[in-house]
Amino acid sequence: SSVLTQPPSVSVAPGRTARITCGGNNIRSRSVHWYQQKPGQAPVLVMYYDRDRPSGIPERFSGSKSGNTAALTISRAEVGDEADYYCQVWDIDIEHPIFGGGTTLTVL
Amino acid sequence: QVQLVQSGAEVKKPGASVKLVCETSGYTFTAYTLHWVRQAPGQRLEWMGWINVGNGNTKYPQKFQGRVTITRDTSANTAYMELSSLRSEDTAIYYCARDGGYNFGSGSFPYWGQGTLVTVSA
Repeated sequence: SSVLTQPPSVSVAPGRTARITCGGNNIRSRSVHWYQQKPGQAPVLVMYYDRDRPSGIPERFSGSKSGNTAALTISRAEVGDEADYYCQVWDIDIEHPIFGGGTTLTVL
Repeated sequence: QVQLVQSGAEVKKPGASVKLVCETSGYTFTAYTLHWVRQAPGQRLEWMGWINVGNGNTKYPQKFQGRVTITRDTSANTAYMELSSLRSEDTAIYYCARDGGYNFGSGSFPYWGQGTLVTVSA
């Protein structure tokens, strides 16, 4: 089954660009979804199908994928973007979702 | 609008069982798969199972086989997750989440409940 690897933490200065990666050996053939989770809150879907944004998610958030690595990019980072970010795929072979370990984004 | 509202916090002793509730509204209940996901303190999201609400079929990860049961009541638009033989490691926030379906892609989770804290302690 798939294993998704994320960096434990990413730091970025306000106004700069943050890039959070998600690697896995089956990512090239899977759709990748991304979630933002702030302390004490449920996860929020911020990207689906690799690069599609749900309504209400700022255009500063974008998704990409190259080979077996997906990335969530946050442009013009704001303090309000501080959160844990999780990537996720659906493993069609075992019919269940796989979550990455999560990345804590710090904006300072 | 789509809403998933979960039952309140629970405190259980080791060895006991807990049954959590996920009340849904704002969409056709039987048209979407519902999942349960948990998060232990400081840990990653961990999938616990899904139920095809239309036909009642379920699937659980090997780790929870025999301990978790997901059911639904289509007349009440409500899903349930029961976890038995509780141990301290089961202390976590438990979320229900609805599948994305056609709009967001099957296998994504655009809608989540607010979570239920389950504490297992002697």
